[in-house]
Amino acid sequence: KAGVTQTPRYLIKTRGQQVTLSCSPISGHRSVSWYQQTPGQGLQFLFEYFSETQRNKGNFPGRFSGRQFSNSRSEMNVSTLELGDSALYLCASSPGPGQEQYFGPGTRLTVT
Amino acid sequence: AQSVTQLGSHVSVSEGALVLLRCNYSSSVPPYLFWYVQYPNQGLQLLLKYTTGATLVKGINGFEAEFKKSETSFHLTKPSAHMSDAAEYFCAVSARGNQGGKLIFGQGTELSVKP
Repeated sequence: KAGVTQTPRYLIKTRGQQVTLSCSPISGHRSVSWYQQTPGQGLQFLFEYFSETQRNKGNFPGRFSGRQFSNSRSEMNVSTLELGDSALYLCASSPGPGQEQYFGPGTRLTVT
Repeated sequence: AQSVTQLGSHVSVSEGALVLLRCNYSSSVPPYLFWYVQYPNQGLQLLLKYTTGATLVKGINGFEAEFKKSETSFHLTKPSAHMSDAAEYFCAVSARGNQGGKLIFGQGTELSVKP
């Protein structure tokens, strides 16, 4: 089976812009979670989707949003980008809630 | 609230030596426990997990971990380090039930392996 894929792999944006990141889960997996990884804060949970519904949400401002489509693919959006949003954004898929998560390679976002 | 503490942000061992990476968790009920490894410029790879049953869990690449409820620990070990084990290792917990999709990670331990 193909693993979790994330596009794009690298992205450079300017402060104030918005960005959309995409994640395709492993075939048959219905849960998708998103994480932000930075040197200072480490790995932090953003949100989790299952069957197109957000099940859990981390402690991030409303500028961070996401959605899941009927084919389980997911997108996350960050509006009004700030310098502090520069990070590696990781997507993980699992067969269902509470099961082990498999991570994609991440999208490296740089905000200038 | 759940939390994870990894003791030692950096561990250095010689090739062939024992690898021991420490992880302690805080949770009101026994959580699910995981170890992940991250190589430079890559995502996280699942090494092993504990959900229920046998407390000694074997994973990929010769790693294993033991869940000790009394010590709230889930330390990762490997009898003999290889150069290819050099990477960053993360311990993570998740709740059982409805919160199960949210992983809480420790700060990570960077493992260096000296020839």
